[in-house]
Order: sequence, then structure tokens, then C-alpha cells
Amino acid sequence: NAGVTQTPKFRVLKTGQSMTLLCAQDMNHEYMYWYRQDPGMGLRLIHYSVGEGTTAKGEVPDGYNVSRLKKQNFLLGLESAAPSQTSVYFCASRPTVNQPQHFGDGTRLSIL
Amino acid sequence: SQQGEEDPQALSIQEGENATMNCSYKTSINNLQWYRQNSGRGLVHLILIRSNEREKHSGRLRVTLDTSKKSSSLLITASRAADTASYFCAVSGNTPLVFGKGTRLSVIA
Repeated sequence: NAGVTQTPKFRVLKTGQSMTLLCAQDMNHEYMYWYRQDPGMGLRLIHYSVGEGTTAKGEVPDGYNVSRLKKQNFLLGLESAAPSQTSVYFCASRPTVNQPQHFGDGTRLSIL
Repeated sequence: SQQGEEDPQALSIQEGENATMNCSYKTSINNLQWYRQNSGRGLVHLILIRSNEREKHSGRLRVTLDTSKKSSSLLITASRAADTASYFCAVSGNTPLVFGKGTRLSVIA
């Protein structure tokens, strides 16, 4: 039982490049989330999903897109990376609302 | 916003001492959750306290909740060097969890 797995763990991009971060969970959870964590800023919610085929905007959605084509996977895309998107990205999932969240170990993304 | 705000931002104690950190929030909640984050890792859930509960224990952790003051506290008793981490509270209503900036706890051996 792997829990929440994020790939890749590290990535360096050049400004303007695109990439997709993958989050996979094997717990059959309905709810999935993408956060970014910056020094001194805590975790900020980017996008989330309340079930397969659904997505919704969080606190800081600009510059990101997401897709939830399969229940177990939640993809975060950067279409044109900017240095301001340098951050650590965390994915989380939970079975229903009001339950604890399970987190992956993060993707460290640097944009030059 | 349902965001929880932790206090203090940083706390340094000696091994064996107790550590107390606080969380304040602004809206009504279904429950309040505490998480720990070790350096370079994701958050790990520690304990959940429902809005109709006032106190909850889990091992060396004790959480209190005062809904009239919209505040919670996390007490770690007999701290160990391994407790060094950042601690976050998150309030849960009918919207996604929103986390505060955390309390960074350093336990010195």
C-alpha cells in the first residue's frame, strides 16, 4: 500500500517550458488536492477534485491546470513555467470531506 | 476564510520539556486537524478533534478545542529530539482544508 505517490520528485525547468506533475493514490479516495509550499507561506491550495472527472479552483490557481480522468490520478500541469512557480508541490487525498488528508512527499520544482 | 493560524511561529525547547502550540480560526467548523511535517517530507496527520469534543489524547499528544474562543491547542509532553518538525492546524468545514503557516518546533537534546 503506497498511499500517495508523486512523480517526479525533483525537476528543473526553463522559463516557458511545460510539464505535468503526477499524483497517484491507491486508497480509492474521492477527494484529491494540489498545494504549493513556499518558505514562510505555509501550504496554499492550487486546485482540487471531489471525484473522477471533476476539478475546482483553489486559492492560487493561475498558471496551472489539472485533470482527474481516473479516480486514482490527479495531474497538475504548468503550460508555460515562470520563475514564480518555483516551489515544492504537494498532493493530498482523503476519502470524504472532513476526514484527514494523506500527503505525498512532494515534488521540488525549480524554474530558471 | 477558514484558515487556521498557528502561534508561535517558532518554538525551541529542551528534550523532556512540554511543547504547546496554539491555533486560532474564524469560522464555524466540523472538526480541527493537526499535522506534522518533518523536513523534506509531506504532512502527516496527527489527530482530529470534532467540534463537539473539548479534549482528545493520542500517546504524548493532547489537543483541546474551545469553539467559543475559536481556538485549539496542541500539547506534546516529554518532548524528544525526534519531535523536531513543523506543526500545522487545519480547520474542516464543507470546503477544502486550508492550512496555516505552521509552528516550527525545535527540540534540543
